Amino acid sequence: DQQVKQNSPSLSVQEGRISILNCDYTNSMFDYFLWYKKYPAEGPTFLISISSIKDKNEDGRFTVFLNKSAKHLSLHIVPSQPGDSAVYFCAAIRQGGSEKLVFGKGTKLTVNP
Amino acid sequence: GAVVSQHPSRVICKSGTSVKIECRSLDFQATTMFWYRQFPKQSLMLMATSNEGSKATYEQGVEKDKFLINHASLTLSTLTVTSAHPEDSSFYICSARAIMERETQYFGPGTRLLVL
Repeated sequence: DQQVKQNSPSLSVQEGRISILNCDYTNSMFDYFLWYKKYPAEGPTFLISISSIKDKNEDGRFTVFLNKSAKHLSLHIVPSQPGDSAVYFCAAIRQGGSEKLVFGKGTKLTVNP
Repeated sequence: GAVVSQHPSRVICKSGTSVKIECRSLDFQATTMFWYRQFPKQSLMLMATSNEGSKATYEQGVEKDKFLINHASLTLSTLTVTSAHPEDSSFYICSARAIMERETQYFGPGTRLLVL
């Protein structure tokens, strides 16, 4: 049973527009969420995180929104740049519990010039 | 900050040999390090959790005698693939969690292993 789901395997947007990457989770015990970006043949790079006590966290062009009632989070990238083209992984963890991050399967974002 | 390195970045070996992969946190201390494996077009698969000074905790289905993990210091963990076979060929990635950050894991660049 997949506890973290990224239902869109791919997303294509134009440079300068907004990219919205979505993630759903089923385990209500998760209370901390992270987004990672990954280029081929490289390790994931941490982008941004959010605790369940917040519904929004912003860092430059990246904003993560959390809707706890819907068990849904999204990553907004604006404006999108060609260098943002990568696979984006959503991850979740229960603070103070198991140390394991639970990852979604990733969404491949392509930003077209 | 929060840089994690892995060595080697790529390794090719013959079947039956052992391969050691090092994971280092360069600018922070990590009480916990994690080892992942990624198959093509799939998500990261956690293999084991490594705590400094204690035995690693392996995920279900991961052979602890085949994938030996040592976490001898707060900045170094090693994964040794013993008696490697072609099916062990994969992309191995480590991550480290800083002492003061309980949730965020910082990943290394990965090691591509090819077993002939």
